[in-house]
Order: sequence, then C-alpha cells, then structure tokens
Amino acid sequence: DIQMTQSPSTLSASVGDRVTISCRASQNVRGYLAWFQQKPGKAPKLLIYKPNILENGVPSRFSGSGSGTEFTLAISSLQSDDFATYYCLQYTSFPYTFGQGTKLEIK
Amino acid sequence: QVQLEESGPGLVKPSETLSLTCSVSVGYITGYYWAWIRQPPGKELESIGYIFYSGATNYNPSLESRVSISVDTSKSQFYLTLNSVTAADTAVYYCARLNALSLRSFDYWGQGIRVTVSS
Repeated sequence: DIQMTQSPSTLSASVGDRVTISCRASQNVRGYLAWFQQKPGKAPKLLIYKPNILENGVPSRFSGSGSGTEFTLAISSLQSDDFATYYCLQYTSFPYTFGQGTKLEIK
Repeated sequence: QVQLEESGPGLVKPSETLSLTCSVSVGYITGYYWAWIRQPPGKELESIGYIFYSGATNYNPSLESRVSISVDTSKSQFYLTLNSVTAADTAVYYCARLNALSLRSFDYWGQGIRVTVSS
C-alpha cells in the first residue's frame, strides 16, 4: 500500500492567516491526489483533486499544489468556517489511502 | 443532485456479519463506481472497496477475505457485507461515489453510519 504522511498533525492559526498543510506519499502517485475537509460528525468533503483542481463550490482561498510524492494544501486567508480536519488521499493505486489528518485549530 | 444514505444495524455481535445498504438517489447509479470507506474512532479513513454499476469489484487486500460489495441498479442501492467482525471493525462506515470519469476521487458521500461491534 502507498503510505500517506501529513504534517503537521495539529495546526493552530487565527482568522486571516495563511496556512499550509503538507502530504508526502511513499511512492509517486502521478498527481492522483485529493484533499478533503471533515468537520466533527460529518462526512469528508472534497475540496481539491488532481491535485490542484478546485471542486465546484469550494472557495478560491483554497489551493493545491505538488507532484510526484510531495503535495501541499494552502488556505490563503483563514475564515472561521475553515477550522476542521483535513485529509489527503492518493487514488492512483488501490487500496486508495488517506493521510492521518491535520487538525486546524483556532489559536 | 446526487444523494447517498447508509442504513443498517448500529450494533453487531463479534463473529457475526455486518450488512449495510447505501441508497443512491434514483437515476444516478449507472455509469459510476461506488465505494465503502470507514473511519474507526479517532483514526484515519480506510478504503474498504468499490464496485462498478455493472458489478465489477475491487477490495482492500487487508479485508478481502471477509468483505463483499454488491449492487442492485433496479433499486439504486449497493451493499456491504463484512464477515466475522471483531471490535477492530467498530467504525463510522461511509458510502461514496468514486468518480473515475472526471478523476475527482470520492466526490459525493453519505452522512455515515456508526457501527459498534460488541456483545
């Protein structure tokens, strides 16, 4: 299985900050990388895929970048609604595997 | 608008079989892959497997000996069966659409159903 490692595990930030979350794959995922946002008690929500295409309806303050084994999710100006847990997912090789998650907390 | 909804028992006894149903809004099941994903308490998400609307399947090797996914397009439903469950199978189970056509990965999800394995 391809292992996905996210960093940091927890991130404290304030409204208006710019933050980045990293995701590293144990092997080349050929760009088949997606980012999800999950709030407590809710299903994950697709934000970005392939790995820099914004899903319909997702605010433009979210962006994705990277290639090969290194990927980044950036949020340009944090809003209160953005405090949640974020997961990366590789979907180049089944079983598709998720990162362990990054919890974005209010500082 | 694609909508998914999981249903099934919330409590299963150890060694028994977990069976869940995912109902997909009518008219949307054809042409896509449909997946089951689970999330144990406090842990990361795990892909269980997926099925094409025509019936072809792919399972996570770690579960392959115990899992089966099937589909009934006439009912717009697909199903998960997991045999010989243990406490390690306690999780929130999600059904989701795997959008291979546009390479979106899992673009629509159900709300999840919490399943506890306990006697």
